[in-house]
Amino acid sequence: VLTQSPPTLSLSPGERATLSCRASESVSSFLAWYQQKPGQAPRLLIYDASNRATGIPARFSGSGSGTDFTLTISSLEPEDFAVYYCQQRSNWLTFGGGTKVEIK
Amino acid sequence: QVQLQESGPGLVKPSGTLSLTCAVSGGSIISSDWWSWVRQPPGRGLEWIGDIYHSGSTNYNPSLMSRVTISIDKSKKQFSLKLSSVTAADTAVYFCARAQDVYPGRSNTFPFDSWGQGTLVTVSS
Repeated sequence: VLTQSPPTLSLSPGERATLSCRASESVSSFLAWYQQKPGQAPRLLIYDASNRATGIPARFSGSGSGTDFTLTISSLEPEDFAVYYCQQRSNWLTFGGGTKVEIK
Repeated sequence: QVQLQESGPGLVKPSGTLSLTCAVSGGSIISSDWWSWVRQPPGRGLEWIGDIYHSGSTNYNPSLMSRVTISIDKSKKQFSLKLSSVTAADTAVYFCARAQDVYPGRSNTFPFDSWGQGTLVTVSS
């Protein structure tokens, strides 16, 4: 099970966003992060816990291993307000419940 | 960049079978990648359904395993989903996706790097 926190994050453009994903058992580094906007498919941001996907801006970074992971957006741009999901593929495949980053 | 496109009925009757197909273009379906189905009920989060390798090997979500069949047609460059005995709880946007082998030859996350646009399937009489 992947638990994401907080469920909602209210921030202003330019602020730093820190999203958490906690696994109920170790997933090693087999964790990815996705961004989803309304009416769109998810977009891959980070894979293997800390590797940025092709074309993803450097303001997005991932860290962690084992059971605790973090997605950091260093300075929020207007287009970053969306829902973010973590996903593991160590024990079958599951997604976290999501964190909505909304404009404060 | 590989492109994926789902197709299939948007309305299925309760107790019936949901059938969707995903067409793959812009890349080969015969690779070290896996081909997957993910769904999202309205207003809710993502749920992995299962995936298939070009050899025909499959992995299914244990919670859906008894009702799911994923198949692949390499000649047509497409893979398909069948979900039987559907109920209103199966109403969702269904996405097909590529689970990319980012490090061929060694373990990795196989992240979903390419997605179809998604298709809404409603279960209703």
